[in-house]
Amino acid sequence: GAVVSQHPSWVICKSGTSVKIECRSLDFQATTMFWYRQFPKQSLMLMATSNEGSKATYEQGVEKDKFLINHASLTLSTLTVTSAHPEDSSFYICSGWDRYSGANVLTFGAGSRLTVL
Amino acid sequence: GNSVTQMEGPVTLSEEAFLTINCTYTATGYPSLFWYVQYPGEGLQLLLKATKADDKGSNKGFEATYRKETTSFHLEKGSVQVSDSAVYFCALSEGAGGTSYGKLTFGQGTILTVHP
Repeated sequence: GAVVSQHPSWVICKSGTSVKIECRSLDFQATTMFWYRQFPKQSLMLMATSNEGSKATYEQGVEKDKFLINHASLTLSTLTVTSAHPEDSSFYICSGWDRYSGANVLTFGAGSRLTVL
Repeated sequence: GNSVTQMEGPVTLSEEAFLTINCTYTATGYPSLFWYVQYPGEGLQLLLKATKADDKGSNKGFEATYRKETTSFHLEKGSVQVSDSAVYFCALSEGAGGTSYGKLTFGQGTILTVHP
């Protein structure tokens, strides 16, 4: 079945550095990618929606200059946390969707745990 | 805005026990409702869904019924197995199709552990 490979699964970085998280769709074309974050013991919160070849649409309260999303191809979307700070430490999850498949099935990555020191 | 409230965990059961994980929601309009499961080290997987009131979603022995009058979508299974140990998320979307399908509002997740 469809798989989304998310990398890295965990990353530790110093405050002020930037971190890139990749999500690759395997065996399907992710025309749309959704990015979520999850704080400990809290729900997954939608951060942004990106369509291949277009700018991402961010949810209210999400800083677009802090969380850069690129979706340049049908199989790859990236989230870059710029100038990361400890409050950006979280679990980030992507999910891909092929709007032309008619299946209306989301395929989630396994998540990336970011710890900013 | 939309919200989903899930039964707090963790839930620990013995094999073959009956499982209920409560989920209630607040939404405008007519949302679609979902249960997702996440096994260790894997991504969330759709377990079942219901798109309108009184629909029952079912899969792998799990069931949930869309109850509009009580705004609930409780997950049940008659006899759990060790392999059911995972994190379960209740979620809703405002539409049954289009991009809105992926704009999910999640509950906080319930950790289920089943012992032999």
